[in-house]
Amino acid sequence: EAEVAQSPRYKITEKSQAVAFWCDPISGHATLYWYRQILGQGPELLVQFQDESVVDDSQLPKDRFSAERLKGVDSTLKIQPAELGDSAMYLCASGGGSYNEQFFGPGTRLTVL
Amino acid sequence: AQSVAQPEDQVNVAEGNPLTVKCTYSVSGNPYLFWYVQYPNRGLQFLLKYITGDNLVKGSYGFEAEFNKSQTSFHLKKPSALVSDSALYFCAVRAPGSGAGSYQLTFGKGTKLSVIP
Repeated sequence: EAEVAQSPRYKITEKSQAVAFWCDPISGHATLYWYRQILGQGPELLVQFQDESVVDDSQLPKDRFSAERLKGVDSTLKIQPAELGDSAMYLCASGGGSYNEQFFGPGTRLTVL
Repeated sequence: AQSVAQPEDQVNVAEGNPLTVKCTYSVSGNPYLFWYVQYPNRGLQFLLKYITGDNLVKGSYGFEAEFNKSQTSFHLKKPSALVSDSALYFCAVRAPGSGAGSYQLTFGKGTKLSVIP
């Protein structure tokens, strides 16, 4: 069964450092999402791609966060510099099918010290 | 704007008993509704969805959900709970429509289900 791949699974960094997360969606899925999930809360959308284009990045803190999907396949989310409040689970999802059903990867747990 | 409410932070149920996890929504037009489950330090796993048709939808692992338009609810149910069902459950909604911008899901804050042996 096809799955969304993410790496790394866990990342510990110090504040002011740069971090990057990678996501490989299910093959053929044109839509890719990055979410942030703070402990005890539901996922919140950071950015949505359709192929290589950004559909919505209104919730992405653009002073420190960036996301790209250069060839419309895999994607990278970067934080520079990381802050203590960025500690969270970062989830990637890809969408496909008649109703663009979303399938999630295992996530990257980020801890900023 | 669309929204989802999961009124219970935690639901406790004895193994073998029926379980219900509640969800209400607000959206313009006919909703697309989803349930996901999350185990510790894992991503979300899709359980089931309602798009149209029969108000009772069946999904993975014996779960089902009932769509009630008049009450704007989409409660998750299972006739007999298992200890392995203990996890975090999220309800999500999106508005119908075409175009990539309509695909976005709005999630509830989640309900922690604990099944007691």
